[in-house]
Amino acid sequence: GAVVSQHPSRVICKSGTSVKIECRSLDFQATTMFWYRQFPKQSLMLMATSNEGSKATYEQGVEKDKFLINHASLTLSTLTVTSAHPEDSSFYICSARDPQRGSYEQYFGPGTRLTVT
Amino acid sequence: GEDVEQSLFLSVREGDSSVINCTYTDSSSTYLYWYKQEPGAGLQLLTYIFSNMDMKQDQRLTVLLNKKDKHLSLRIADTQTGDSAIYFCAQGELSFGAGTTVTVRA
Repeated sequence: GAVVSQHPSRVICKSGTSVKIECRSLDFQATTMFWYRQFPKQSLMLMATSNEGSKATYEQGVEKDKFLINHASLTLSTLTVTSAHPEDSSFYICSARDPQRGSYEQYFGPGTRLTVT
Repeated sequence: GEDVEQSLFLSVREGDSSVINCTYTDSSSTYLYWYKQEPGAGLQLLTYIFSNMDMKQDQRLTVLLNKKDKHLSLRIADTQTGDSAIYFCAQGELSFGAGTTVTVRA
């Protein structure tokens, strides 16, 4: 149980275009989802916390107009990278909390590798 | 700078114990976590420790927490080849270490 999927697993896009990444909780309802960015050999950086039905809370330094997060249902959150540039190339990871399993566990998706050319 | 620090690499012989160390700066976190990441997979929660505990044991895993030194460690007993992975320590959902790549050699 507690499986989180991400789609796509890899995406290559041209500079200036927008890319949408989906995060789904497959067997539970996630009231809270998190979006992270990971650079090679570096730690995960929390970008934003998304609660179903409300606006996402962004961490300091993360541009909310560039990284649009929508958590429209209890099983789906999306991250849209708008007007992508090469410096947005990174590994994006989402995670979700299952409220029935307690508030301290997160279940991570496998990540999405974004390459902007 | 990094709020959570851990060494990047650890090589261990099969059957020996592995010890992965982590230091953190924020003493307000209620929970500290250890995650395992295998190639192509997401982070998997291995174990966690509540901040008012000093030690937690779960089968081959032992977590030690030294709050005074802000030091967390994960010991894996009888390390197996399937334990080869990247291990992340984390405070809450905000601060993660860069991950320790554990390589188990025969």
